[in-house]
Amino acid sequence: SQQGEEDPQALSIQEGENATMNCSYKTSINNLQWYRQNSGRGLVHLILIRSNEREKHSGRLRVTLDTSKKSSSLLITASRAADTASYFCATAVSGGSYIPTFGRGTSLIVHP
Amino acid sequence: GAGVSQSPSNKVTEKGKDVELRCDPISGHTALYWYRQSLGQGLEFLIYFQGNSAPDKSGLPSDRFSAERTGGSVSTLTIQRTQQEDSAVYLCASSPQPMASGANVLTFGAGSRLTVL
Repeated sequence: SQQGEEDPQALSIQEGENATMNCSYKTSINNLQWYRQNSGRGLVHLILIRSNEREKHSGRLRVTLDTSKKSSSLLITASRAADTASYFCATAVSGGSYIPTFGRGTSLIVHP
Repeated sequence: GAGVSQSPSNKVTEKGKDVELRCDPISGHTALYWYRQSLGQGLEFLIYFQGNSAPDKSGLPSDRFSAERTGGSVSTLTIQRTQQEDSAVYLCASSPQPMASGANVLTFGAGSRLTVL
């Protein structure tokens, strides 16, 4: 079973709107990462947030982490058509071998 | 190299044949990972190599799957007697020496798309 699960599975918005994706996980983690995958390509790392952090920013990206609820959110502000991609969260389990476990992803479509 | 290189990018094979998929990680990265991504699914962990340690093979779905990493660099994933359910994109990733915090940022290759007819 997946350690992390993204929600929603698919999201369709207009350019300029904000996009919010959520990730829930089951066990205690050391850190959580978000990756992006363009169609037919490999995954690209976006941002990493550690278990002792609550919020992190990178450009138009904002990630939050709530360890009490075992959840994280990725916010993309002022979305662009080029943001169209699938977004995955990956968790590294505390006390584990640090192999990131990925969810099924959220498919984001940004209409120009 | 500048990035993680995988070959072939596409492979079509007949059921029952063996296939080899190659991954050339970023120079100096000690950790190497193989994942499988089926259509509409997330990434399924297959195997993990770290330096000279014994690989973590816990994700391999059957004994038809095996992988090697020679000289701590290039890795080959071998699938014997391929089945139609093996059709997927096989992704390789590498990362630097894992930190105690477990904050391993992976760099992925573009993947090898395998189609078993």
